[in-house]
Amino acid sequence: ETGVTQTPRHLVMGMTNKKSLKCEQHLGHNAMYWYKQSAKKPLELMFVYNFKEQTENNSVPSRFSPECPNSSHLFLHLHTLQPEDSALYLCASSPGTSGDTNTGELFFGEGSRLTVL
Amino acid sequence: DAKTTQPNSMESNEEEPVHLPCNHSTISGTDYIHWYRQLPSQGPEYVIHGLTSNVNNRMASLAIAEDRKSSTLILHRATLRDAAVYYCIRGSQGNLIFGKGTKLSVKP
Repeated sequence: ETGVTQTPRHLVMGMTNKKSLKCEQHLGHNAMYWYKQSAKKPLELMFVYNFKEQTENNSVPSRFSPECPNSSHLFLHLHTLQPEDSALYLCASSPGTSGDTNTGELFFGEGSRLTVL
Repeated sequence: DAKTTQPNSMESNEEEPVHLPCNHSTISGTDYIHWYRQLPSQGPEYVIHGLTSNVNNRMASLAIAEDRKSSTLILHRATLRDAAVYYCIRGSQGNLIFGKGTKLSVKP
């Protein structure tokens, strides 16, 4: 138990559906992250939020829309996804902001396994 | 581009030490070296990180070469629960680029 909770753990959706992934941390952390882990590929950093402000968007398609209403919650809104978007989506948080080099530790949730039909 | 090089897989026997190598020959002076591991069906878990000096914590030790172009993660006594993919990453916490890692198998 890392203190980072992701829901749902599993999600199956059609290409025309709209769904959302939720991430919650009550660790008092200042930064939150979305990562994507596809089968047989390394983890890819998608979005970074520091103090609720988005500071990184690694060329992620617009069909993925993040939202950070406060420093404890992070959402990933999904719409008109493609089958190749099927993956494990991981949320993480860190005590310092993403620009801090020595606060080292990211705390990951267990991920939301997404299947797009 | 992960910018680190690790063996794809390694095997160890239970209760024996494990040395997991990592090359990062293009590391900059401000990049930290981070290690994470990912157990099956779980998110990655922080193991250890360091800059220049060797580091120890309750999970592992990190030995960093003097020229910082390589490092070694040391598990002092491997257990079956240490079977995981181990990632060596250079950079800052907000920009951790994961590679494919080393899949560690531990035999009883």
